[in-house]
Amino acid sequence: GENVEQHPSTLSVQEGDSAVIKCTYSDSASNYFPWYKQELGKRPQLIIDIRSNVGEKKDQRIAVTLNKTAKHFSLHITETQPEDSAVYFCAMGGAAGNKLTFGGGTRVLVKP
Amino acid sequence: NAGVMQNPRHLVRRRGQEARLRCSPMKGHSHVYWYRQLPEEGLKFMVYLQKENIIDESGMPKERFSAEFPKEGPSILRIQQVVRGDSAAYFCASSPGTIYNEQFFGPGTRLTVL
Repeated sequence: GENVEQHPSTLSVQEGDSAVIKCTYSDSASNYFPWYKQELGKRPQLIIDIRSNVGEKKDQRIAVTLNKTAKHFSLHITETQPEDSAVYFCAMGGAAGNKLTFGGGTRVLVKP
Repeated sequence: NAGVMQNPRHLVRRRGQEARLRCSPMKGHSHVYWYRQLPEEGLKFMVYLQKENIIDESGMPKERFSAEFPKEGPSILRIQQVVRGDSAAYFCASSPGTIYNEQFFGPGTRLTVL
């Protein structure tokens, strides 16, 4: 069935260092891979997404890579700042209208 | 352009009562999704609706839970005879329903069952 494994579950980094979160998935039909950031008590916010026809996408300090053959994708945050502290969720989906299946989340703590 | 709206933001119910959660999608979005988030856990899909139609309810419990998205008005997730295990944050998301599938989330309704 559909499943997304996310690692690590917690990640502590020093301000200015990089953070990397990895997800693996099982459904080879998936072609849409978004990442959400959720601060405590707030809504999940879409921060970046990638589709299966590209291998990498970058937006300022955030980048996502996708390896469809190996069925894994990763989020990279460079030059981390305290405001990057949050829970990050990867997800996978199909074509328009498909539900999203979420990973278990990674709690990122950026220490000043 | 207002984002996804949900109300109430917090809802307290006693066991056996009914909970009714509302979601208004972003303007121009015709697809609505409901997800449930238990404390310290990820989001789990419940149901996907378009106007007047339930498209996928594979994640919604067969009993006590129902959802609708009428032609006019918000989408409603209804939980009858609530139990303590229903306590969670319920998020609604909407998408435009084009070839892309970006889903944008509302602020959530935090349901507490006493």
